[in-house]
Amino acid sequence: NAGVTQTPKFQVLKTGQSMTLQCAQDMNHEYMSWYRQDPGMGLRLIHYSVGAGITDQGEVPNGYNVSRSTTEDFPLRLLSAAPSQTSVYFCASSYRVWGSNEKLFFGSGTQLSVL
Amino acid sequence: DAKTTQPNSMESNEEEPVHLPCNHSTISGTDYIHWYRQLPSQGPEYVIHGLTSNVNNRMASLAIAEDRKSSTLILHRATLRDAAVYYCILRGAGNNRKLIWGLGTSLAVNP
Repeated sequence: NAGVTQTPKFQVLKTGQSMTLQCAQDMNHEYMSWYRQDPGMGLRLIHYSVGAGITDQGEVPNGYNVSRSTTEDFPLRLLSAAPSQTSVYFCASSYRVWGSNEKLFFGSGTQLSVL
Repeated sequence: DAKTTQPNSMESNEEEPVHLPCNHSTISGTDYIHWYRQLPSQGPEYVIHGLTSNVNNRMASLAIAEDRKSSTLILHRATLRDAAVYYCILRGAGNNRKLIWGLGTSLAVNP
């Protein structure tokens, strides 16, 4: 059971480039989400999805796009990378939505540097 | 939004119990108390969660104050592998936009 898989693990971009961070889960989870983690700050929610075809913004959505065409995949797109987007990105999923009694399962992260 | 307060860092010796405190004075009645930990260069992993009663699992125990304004994560016998950042967060139903993660407690375990 692979759990939550993120690719790539490391990425270096130049300012203005675009790229997609991939996230896939094999647990049939309804809820998927993206976080960024910066030094000296807690995890911050970027976007989340409560099911295929349904996405919504989190706390820091600017500069990022998401889509959820299947239950398994939830890619995060950077349209025009900026140095402020240098961070470690985590994808997380849980079985059901709206549930406070749910465990979050995290991927191992993508370390992104924007020069 | 309900927030939590944790000490920045704690230290323990191997094979001794560790009590990690968390204050959440503005907790609402439907908020669950969750604990996650993050090992170096890894994503957070679930440790334990509870609502009102104390909880035990193979990893840890969670002691919740009667007024629910504080809780304590208990590692019964710390090992070197328990050195991590421990996060206490409140997860309530209905507002998925703000899941507030603080900076957590960095636990060092001495051999």
